[in-house]
Amino acid sequence: KQEVTQIPAALSVPEGENLVLNCSFTDSAIYNLQWFRQDPGKGLTSLLLIQSSQREQTSGRLNASLDKSSGRSTLYIAASQPGDSATYLCAVRPGNQFYFGTGTSLTVIP
Amino acid sequence: SQTIHQWPATLVQPVGSPLSLECTVEGTSNPNLYWYRQAAGRGLQLLFYSVGIGQISSEVPQNLSASRPQDRQFILSSKKLLLSDSGFYLCAWTFDGDGGYTFGSGTRLTVV
Repeated sequence: KQEVTQIPAALSVPEGENLVLNCSFTDSAIYNLQWFRQDPGKGLTSLLLIQSSQREQTSGRLNASLDKSSGRSTLYIAASQPGDSATYLCAVRPGNQFYFGTGTSLTVIP
Repeated sequence: SQTIHQWPATLVQPVGSPLSLECTVEGTSNPNLYWYRQAAGRGLQLLFYSVGIGQISSEVPQNLSASRPQDRQFILSSKKLLLSDSGFYLCAWTFDGDGGYTFGSGTRLTVV
């Protein structure tokens, strides 16, 4: 069964800092990997979707990379802002289901 | 464009009462549909998913059930709620194959 791990579980950084969130998965046979953001009490918002044939995806200040062979993905956030404070989840899709990590809770301090 | 609707947004129900949560998707056909639960401070737990009308896969044995009476409608039900059923319920959809997930806005259920 696919297992997804996110490190660190929580992260606190000053505003303006660049940061990296990590996601690792145990089985490299995936269709894609997706990064989400969840604000407290809200649903999940998709940030980036990386297909298995891709190495990275970018959206604004966000860049996600995928190294399928090593079972790793990173989400890079440039010039962090207080509005980036949220929980970030990664999920991998090996079939009809997605497997989620437990998330990284990010706090950006003004 | 595709949209996903989930209602109600919040619900407070007494123990032993029935439950019906509805999720509908617009702008697509034959989506894969999913129900997740997120307990307070915990991760996402997949409850049910469906790849077609009348096709339901259950991931967790419990007093909840799901149905898909129409192509773009997914319903989560219970005959008698337990306190442990409290949580944040999320519906999601994707295409078969390599599509990404799109989530609804969720239903906050409190069983009292």
